[in-house]
Amino acid sequence: EVQLVESGGGLVQPGGSLTLSCDASGSSVRSNYMNWVRQAPGKGLEWLSVIYPNGDTFSADSVKGRFAISRLNSQNRVHLQMSRLRVDDTAVYFCTAMTAGRDHFYSLDVWGQGTTVTVSS
Amino acid sequence: DIQLTQSPSSLSAFVGDTVTISCRASQTIGTYLHWYQVKPGRAPKVLIYGASGFLREVPSRFIGRGSGTDFTLTISDLQPDDFATYYCQHTYRTPPWTFGQGTQVE
Repeated sequence: EVQLVESGGGLVQPGGSLTLSCDASGSSVRSNYMNWVRQAPGKGLEWLSVIYPNGDTFSADSVKGRFAISRLNSQNRVHLQMSRLRVDDTAVYFCTAMTAGRDHFYSLDVWGQGTTVTVSS
Repeated sequence: DIQLTQSPSSLSAFVGDTVTISCRASQTIGTYLHWYQVKPGRAPKVLIYGASGFLREVPSRFIGRGSGTDFTLTISDLQPDDFATYYCQHTYRTPPWTFGQGTQVE
């Protein structure tokens, strides 16, 4: 069974930086499409970034140029490096994987419990 | 970017009811459409993949239909555990893979 555990959330001032981590077990992050999704207080789900098995990365326009997804294969970990944080980046951030890949049309079938980021002065 | 429009944004129902949520894509997405259930303080959970794909751990009262631009999620015989917020999401071709704005079932 694949499990994802996020860490690194906390309180940060506007304009600051933070790096979230997602530790995976049960499967290699290198073999899966690994994503980050967030949910701001009282708002809906927002897809943020993905890293493909081949290393390609894509991000939503709302975070492009400020957030960067990467992975550390040796530690089976995915990162989300966040910079120039804004108050509206306050949210619960979920690490999520497409472990069934093409067989399930790339649905997000495994989710971590989330880590909370609060951007406030 | 492909936009997904869900309707209604919220609905009221009773245990035992049948409810249907719609999701419309701004362009054709084949069947690269998924449905998720979100409860407060819990991780989202995929209910339906590929527009109509069943998962064995999901009760059979959740049924997804559609292709192209129009999709629905029907929940029959609504149970107390089903009161939650539901989202559609597409994963068609290259990202961004957007979510709909959500439908709260209360």
